[in-house]
Amino acid sequence: GDSVTQTEGQVTVSESKSLIINCTYSTTSIAYPNLFWYVRYPGEGLQLLLKVITAGQKGSSRGFEATYNKETTSFHLQKASVQESDSAVYYCALGITGNTRKLIFGLGTTLQVQP
Amino acid sequence: EAAVTQSPRNKVTVTGGNVTLSCRQTNSHNYMYWYRQDTGHGLRLIHYSYGAGNLQIGDVPDGYKATRTTQEDFFLLLELASPSQTSLYFCASSGGNYAEQFFGPGTRLTVL
Repeated sequence: GDSVTQTEGQVTVSESKSLIINCTYSTTSIAYPNLFWYVRYPGEGLQLLLKVITAGQKGSSRGFEATYNKETTSFHLQKASVQESDSAVYYCALGITGNTRKLIFGLGTTLQVQP
Repeated sequence: EAAVTQSPRNKVTVTGGNVTLSCRQTNSHNYMYWYRQDTGHGLRLIHYSYGAGNLQIGDVPDGYKATRTTQEDFFLLLELASPSQTSLYFCASSGGNYAEQFFGPGTRLTVL
């Protein structure tokens, strides 16, 4: 089957410190899935943070980066210096295309940035 | 202007009640989805559709029906609501070459 694992349910980081949120995936449906990070700020809906379609490539947005690593089946989210406004829930997702088009989500990681 | 809208944004009903959640997209996408989001479970797919009149079963379909009346409109129906269906519901649409989805703002449903 297909699955996404985010090992941390909640992460607390001090402002200006670095961040890494782990994401690994497993798939039997597709050899080269699309990979996504979505974010949900308090009181808002989900919005796309970044996506990477090609293995080995890096995506970036708003200071966040993630590299699609097919060897380790990972897509970790990183930021060098977080801000209080980054406090949100972050979801890693695996995209299946072809006859069926679906996103498989991880459970989400709540990031709390302390001033 | 928002491309995926949901109504109502908040809904309170009683056990056994009948609820319809509405979703409209103006992205001209073929695919539309209904999810529920619960603490500790992430987003779970209820039903989805790849066009008007089409319906596909998702991962947690029990207790839910859905109907896609047009390319733009996708409805989620709870005919006998139960407290276990208290949740935050998201609608999304998808089109183009990749699996990227665009989400609505969510509907918070409370079943008393």
